[in-house]
Amino acid sequence: GAVVSQHPSRVICKSGTSVKIECRSLDFQATTMFWYRQFPKKSLMLMATSNEGSKATYEQGVEKDKFLINHASLTLSTLTVTSAHPEDSSFYICSAARVSGTGTGNYGYTFGSGTRLTVV
Amino acid sequence: AQSVAQPEDQVNVAEGNPLTVKCTYSVSGNPYLFWYVQYPNRGLQFLLKYITGDNLVKGSYGFEAEFNKSQTSFHLKKPSALVSDSALYFCAVRVAGGGNKLTFGTGTQLKVEL
Repeated sequence: GAVVSQHPSRVICKSGTSVKIECRSLDFQATTMFWYRQFPKKSLMLMATSNEGSKATYEQGVEKDKFLINHASLTLSTLTVTSAHPEDSSFYICSAARVSGTGTGNYGYTFGSGTRLTVV
Repeated sequence: AQSVAQPEDQVNVAEGNPLTVKCTYSVSGNPYLFWYVQYPNRGLQFLLKYITGDNLVKGSYGFEAEFNKSQTSFHLKKPSALVSDSALYFCAVRVAGGGNKLTFGTGTQLKVEL
């Protein structure tokens, strides 16, 4: 089945540094990838939608200069948290969209295993 | 705008008993509905989805869900719960022709006890 590899699974960084999270679709091409942030015991908050070869679309309230998203190929999207601060500590999850068969109903989503970011 | 409600933060059930996790939705078009499960510090795993057709959808690990258009609900069910089913469950909706974004409910923590 479709697999999305996300790494690192866990990262601790110092305040003020930048951290890059990678999300790869291993056996399919993902024209669209979504990046979510999840707070403890809370739902997923969509941060941005990235389409291969174009600029990401950010949700309202998400700082695009702080959360840099790059989707340079059909199998790789990256999220870089720049100048990280303790309040950026969270669980970040990517999701790759894929179409199996014809019709918009066959649109599916495969999620990465998440990255636990701790900024100290 | 589309939205999803999961009215219960937590559901407790004894192993072997049937379980239900509730979900209602609000959309302006035809909904595509999904259920996902999340284990601690992991991503979301797909359980099942409703696109069209039969209102009763069967999914992974013995789970099923019933699409009820008149009640705008898509409750997740399982006839006999297992301790290993204990996890966080999310309902999500995508609107046909409304882009590809999923809107998630707030999640329901399921706890299955011996």
